Amino acid sequence: DVKVTQSSRYLVKRTGEKVFLECVQDMDHENMFWYRQDPGLGLRLIYFSYDVKMKEKGDIPEGYSVSREKKERFSLILESASTNQTSMYLCASSLRGRRINQPQHFGDGTRLSIL
Amino acid sequence: GQNIDQPTEMTATEGAIVQINCTYQTSGFNGLFWYQQHAGEAPTFLSYNVLDGLEEKGRFSSFLSRSKGYSYLLLKELQMKDSASYLCAVRPPNQAGTALIFGKGTTLSVSS
Repeated sequence: DVKVTQSSRYLVKRTGEKVFLECVQDMDHENMFWYRQDPGLGLRLIYFSYDVKMKEKGDIPEGYSVSREKKERFSLILESASTNQTSMYLCASSLRGRRINQPQHFGDGTRLSIL
Repeated sequence: GQNIDQPTEMTATEGAIVQINCTYQTSGFNGLFWYQQHAGEAPTFLSYNVLDGLEEKGRFSSFLSRSKGYSYLLLKELQMKDSASYLCAVRPPNQAGTALIFGKGTTLSVSS
């Protein structure tokens, strides 16, 4: 069965801290994604990666960076956490391909609070 | 620009039929997905449409009209467990061809 695992369900950090959110998938998917989900704003794409060491900015990359050193792992980094980064963070993965109906599979999310 | 519109909230009763609409204006189109998300849980894939017409999957069906930039998700024989948010997402063609643009979601409440 498809499995995307995020390292923490809940996380509390302080303003200015460097925060790492980890995501691992066991499906040998090429593509991995990081979203944040906020009430009234829906899911917004932060970064995605379509191969090891490759990354592309999404709609809201400011204040974030990512790392993809291995195919199965995609990390989201908050360089210096701020209160407006308090949110639900969702990781997803999918097979590569433009015209095939491969859905994205999501992890359970990390609810991050920045105090 | 990119824009996807869905109603914010809908209510229905058990056993009824409900239609959740989604309209989109995107620069290019490469398929439309519907996801279901229960509170506090991950979104799960429901359906995919890339050609015009209706795709049926048990109690759930999804319809697409590319010329109108319009889709709907039809839920039949509603059950309490169908109370959830339903997310419409469009796949635009881009360099990697894989990122999705999500609507803000429709929260469906099913009552007995």
